[in-house]
Amino acid sequence: DAGITQSPRYKITETGRQVTLMCHQTWSHSYMFWYRQDLGHGLRLIYYSAAADITDKGEVPDGYVVSRSKTENFPLTLESATRSQTSVYFCASSEAGTVGGEKLFFGSGTQLSVL
Amino acid sequence: AQSVAQPEDQVNVAEGNPLTVKCTYSVSGNPYLFWYVQYPNRGLQFLLKYITGDNLVKGSYGFEAEFNKSQTSFHLKKPSALVSDSALYFCAVRDMEYGNKLVFGAGTILRVKS
Repeated sequence: DAGITQSPRYKITETGRQVTLMCHQTWSHSYMFWYRQDLGHGLRLIYYSAAADITDKGEVPDGYVVSRSKTENFPLTLESATRSQTSVYFCASSEAGTVGGEKLFFGSGTQLSVL
Repeated sequence: AQSVAQPEDQVNVAEGNPLTVKCTYSVSGNPYLFWYVQYPNRGLQFLLKYITGDNLVKGSYGFEAEFNKSQTSFHLKKPSALVSDSALYFCAVRDMEYGNKLVFGAGTILRVKS
């Protein structure tokens, strides 16, 4: 029962390069999310998806692209990496749920450094 | 827009003593509130949630949270702290405009000393 997995665990890249962070979940959860974690800011939502082929922007979407062609995968692409995108990135998923919301399950994170 | 605030960057407590990690919220309508914990180099783990009903919510690892509507607070508590409780704790509120989207606070580091 792998749950939700992110890859790579660590990534170092240079400014201007394209980087893709992978996220895969085995539960067939409807919702998937990408958050970034920065000191003093907690977690901020980048993008989320309510189902395959349905994505929407969160609080800080600029410079990022997502896709969700399959329910289980939700890759995050930095089109042209900048130093301000150095962060820890977390993918999460949840069931569709009803009123009140379901809990999120988080991956272990990808630590990205942009030099 | 929904938001939560965690007024303390860090809370220090001795092992065996009660602990409280504070959270206040600002929402329009009924709040749906959550607590998550993050251990070093790990993703966040769900602790508990308040949807409706009893103001005292019990969760994982002996934690509980008290919902107070008049003070718009949702403080996390534990009667007797363990060293292993040392971690980063996040309060979160569900944003009703965006399905299951959660808005997180900045986090509070809990240090339990033996």
